[in-house]
Amino acid sequence: GAVVSQHPSWVICKSGTSVKIECRSLDFQATTMFWYRQFPKQSLMLMATSNEGSKATYEQGVEKDKFLINHASLTLSTLTVTSAHPEDSSFYICSARGLGTGELFFGEGSRLTVL
Amino acid sequence: AQTVTQSQPEMSVQEAETVTLSCTYDTSESDYYLFWYKQPPSRQMILVIRQEAYKQQNATENRFSVNFQKAAKSFSLKISDSQLGDAAMYFCAYVASGTYKYIFGTGTRLKVLA
Repeated sequence: GAVVSQHPSWVICKSGTSVKIECRSLDFQATTMFWYRQFPKQSLMLMATSNEGSKATYEQGVEKDKFLINHASLTLSTLTVTSAHPEDSSFYICSARGLGTGELFFGEGSRLTVL
Repeated sequence: AQTVTQSQPEMSVQEAETVTLSCTYDTSESDYYLFWYKQPPSRQMILVIRQEAYKQQNATENRFSVNFQKAAKSFSLKISDSQLGDAAMYFCAYVASGTYKYIFGTGTRLKVLA
């Protein structure tokens, strides 16, 4: 099946710094990728839809200036958490949709801890 | 608005036994997909089983099967011959055909007892 790879799997940063998370589709082209945030023992919350070559579509309540998304190629989307604060600490997951099946393929997730 | 409800926060099953996880959803769409995803402790979500709403036949994947009741908007997952490796969070998900916005339930944590 399709593979989506996410990097880094975990990152610790100081408050006020920015952190970039990469999401790559390894064996297929993904015109659309999705970024989710997952709090402990909770479900996935869709943050934004990343579209190749155009601006991302953010869900209500998600600050687009805080969570910058770039989808510069058909195989790479990046999420940058800008001026991170402890409340941004969370598990971030990217995914891409397979063609024709509707199935979502997920990355391994990235655990962000902001000190 | 579409919603997905998993009413069982946690379930336990004895190894080799059968367990059923519940999921209900609400939608006005007639064409959609339903999924069960598994999130083991390693955290990467993987697809367990998929059901197209237009198909009346219940999907089956080895030890995993669903009971899809379209009129009742119910989509339960049955795991037969449970194994220790089945222990994980299970999420039910819905997506309307032609759209990208997946709706996830709150998850059910499955514990498998040796």
